[in-house]
Amino acid sequence: EPEVTQTPSHQVTQMGQEVILRCVPISNHLYFYWYRQILGQKVEFLVSFYNNEISEKSEIFDDQFSVERPDGSNFTLKIRSTKLEDSAMYFCASSLRRLANTQYFGPGTRLTVL
Amino acid sequence: KQEVTQIPAALSVPEGENLVLNCSFTDSAIYNLQWFRQDPGKGLTSLLLIQSSQREQTSGRLNASLDKSSGRSTLYIAASQPGDSATYLCDQGGSEKLVFGKGMKLTVNP
Repeated sequence: EPEVTQTPSHQVTQMGQEVILRCVPISNHLYFYWYRQILGQKVEFLVSFYNNEISEKSEIFDDQFSVERPDGSNFTLKIRSTKLEDSAMYFCASSLRRLANTQYFGPGTRLTVL
Repeated sequence: KQEVTQIPAALSVPEGENLVLNCSFTDSAIYNLQWFRQDPGKGLTSLLLIQSSQREQTSGRLNASLDKSSGRSTLYIAASQPGDSATYLCDQGGSEKLVFGKGMKLTVNP
């Protein structure tokens, strides 16, 4: 069964460094998403992406964050200058259609900012 | 603002019990409601998706219902097993983004 994959599974970085989290969505899906989950808290929406542009973003997704689909398979989340509070699990998801459609989640990348 | 609430936050039951998990949401203009399970340190696995035009969905021992007028969804787990132990999340899909509750941590004891 097709699945969403994410790399790395765990990333440790120093505060102020840039990180890129990578995702490979399900191949025929058209909509892509990033969510994050700070330890012990809710899963929170960050951004959705369709047709090579951001279609919706949350207040969390400020200028430090960017997303890109550099080729036909990868979908990346970049954090330009990491802060301690960026430490969280970051989940990528994809769906075939925009609304009323199941989103399939990857296993997540645990980001630890020291 | 869209809010999703799940009560209780945790539940511990003996194996074999039939369970009811509750989810309340604030936005009646939803497109769908989805139930997920999350195992410790893992991603989210979709269990059931109920579209706004539907009232329930079933998959194996799981049955989910949706009542838009009261802003509630219920996940029913029949004959619970230790392998059902996980955190169960519901989400309200009103637009592209999913709005999650905090989840309910279920422990099924053998």
